[in-house]
Amino acid sequence: AQTVTQSQPEMSVQEAETVTLSCTYDTSESDYYLFWYKQPPSRQMILVIRQEAYKQQNATENRFSVNFQKAAKSFSLKISDSQLGDAAMYFCAYRVADMRFGAGTRLTVKP
Amino acid sequence: DTEVTQTPKHLVMGMTNKKSLKCEQHMGHRAMYWYKQKAKKPPELMFVYSYEKLSINESVPSRFSPECPNSSLLNLHLHALQPEDSALYLCASSQGPVAYEQYFGPGTRLTVT
Repeated sequence: AQTVTQSQPEMSVQEAETVTLSCTYDTSESDYYLFWYKQPPSRQMILVIRQEAYKQQNATENRFSVNFQKAAKSFSLKISDSQLGDAAMYFCAYRVADMRFGAGTRLTVKP
Repeated sequence: DTEVTQTPKHLVMGMTNKKSLKCEQHMGHRAMYWYKQKAKKPPELMFVYSYEKLSINESVPSRFSPECPNSSLLNLHLHALQPEDSALYLCASSQGPVAYEQYFGPGTRLTVT
């Protein structure tokens, strides 16, 4: 069974600084997809970034980037120039067929 | 447009009531999902519709009954719920049943009294 582990239940970052959220996963598949979702207190799950396992290049979306280490089965999210609006629960997810979510990391942004 | 809509936003129902949750997407996605989410927990998959056919039922109690009238609509019929069923119910859709990212609706906050 595929599992997704987020080892940081809570993280805090100062506004304008950089923070990295960790995610590891376990799988025997070679082709799969990885995602980071953001869920603000308003509760809607929003897709932040996706990474295809067959791509060596790390995905980037504006201030959000990932460090994908396939051999280590690691998929961390880096948020640069953190903003107050980045405060949310962040879920790492793995997908071949059904989506598997990690337990989440609650990010607080301090002004 | 990557919008998934859900109605109602909030629902309070008694244990003997029958109610329905609705979900709609107009992105041409062929897979739709129902998730249950408890506070501070990740979403738990309940049902998957792929090309309007129920393909996965994650051993959900029969008091939850999904329906997919067409490729854009998804309903979740509720009957004789228990207080422990109180949760946020999220609908999602994806282009296909595997690999693609899922787009989520804002959810329905359900309280069972």
